[in-house]
Amino acid sequence: EAAVTQSPRNKVAVTGGKVTLSCNQTNNHNNMYWYRQDTGHGLRLIHYSYGAGSTEKGDIPDGYKASRPSQENFSLILELATPSQTSVYFCASGDAWGGEQYFGPGTRLTVL
Amino acid sequence: AQKVTQTQTSISVMEKTTVTMDCVYETRDSSYFLFWYKQTASGEIVFLIRQDSYKKENATEGHYSLNFQKPKSSIGLIITATQIEDSAVYFCAMREGDSNYQLIWGSGTKLIIKP
Repeated sequence: EAAVTQSPRNKVAVTGGKVTLSCNQTNNHNNMYWYRQDTGHGLRLIHYSYGAGSTEKGDIPDGYKASRPSQENFSLILELATPSQTSVYFCASGDAWGGEQYFGPGTRLTVL
Repeated sequence: AQKVTQTQTSISVMEKTTVTMDCVYETRDSSYFLFWYKQTASGEIVFLIRQDSYKKENATEGHYSLNFQKPKSSIGLIITATQIEDSAVYFCAMREGDSNYQLIWGSGTKLIIKP
C-alpha cells in the first residue's frame, strides 16, 4: 500500500545538537514537502523538492536544511537545534498534476 | 496576493445531520486547484477532495461534496450524514496553476459531532 512514513515518530534533542528527520514515500511522487505545525500557525512549509537531488526553500527555511537523495527519501536536518524548533513536523508527497499532497504521520520534536 | 480564509473557528452539529464548512480564497490566476484536508485528533492529515477551477461540476467523494462558487471565490465543504468519527479539524488549501506545487493553507475549522 502506497504510503508516507516518517522516522522517528518522537524525538527529544538537546539545544545545539544535530537532528535528522527522515521521510520515505512509496507513492512514486516527484514532489515532497516538509512542514511544521504549531498551535495557532497551522501548516508552514519549510522545504520542498521536485525530485532526487533537488531541494527548494519554503516559507520558513531558516535553521533547516533538506536532502533528497532518491525519489523515495527526503530528510530534514537541523544542524543546531534550538528550543524554538520544538514542533510537530510533517512530511508529504505530492501529485504532479492536481497537486494534492499525502502526509506522513508526523514527528513530534522537543528541543530542550 | 494569494490567500485562503476559513472564518469558522469551530462548528458543533448533531450526528447524522449535514454540515457545511466555508472557505474563501484570493488568487489572480485563472487556473487553480482547491483542496480539503482532515486532521484527526491523533494528528493524522488526510486528503479528502479536490476541485479544479475549470470544472463547473462540484466534486464529490463519498459523503463529502463541494459547493464551488467561482464568482464568489468560495469553496464550501459539505459533509452529509455526519458520524462521530467526522469530528476533526478541516483545512482548505489552494494551489495556483502556475505555482511550484506549493499549497496555500487556511487556518482550519474544528468540527465537533455530538451524539
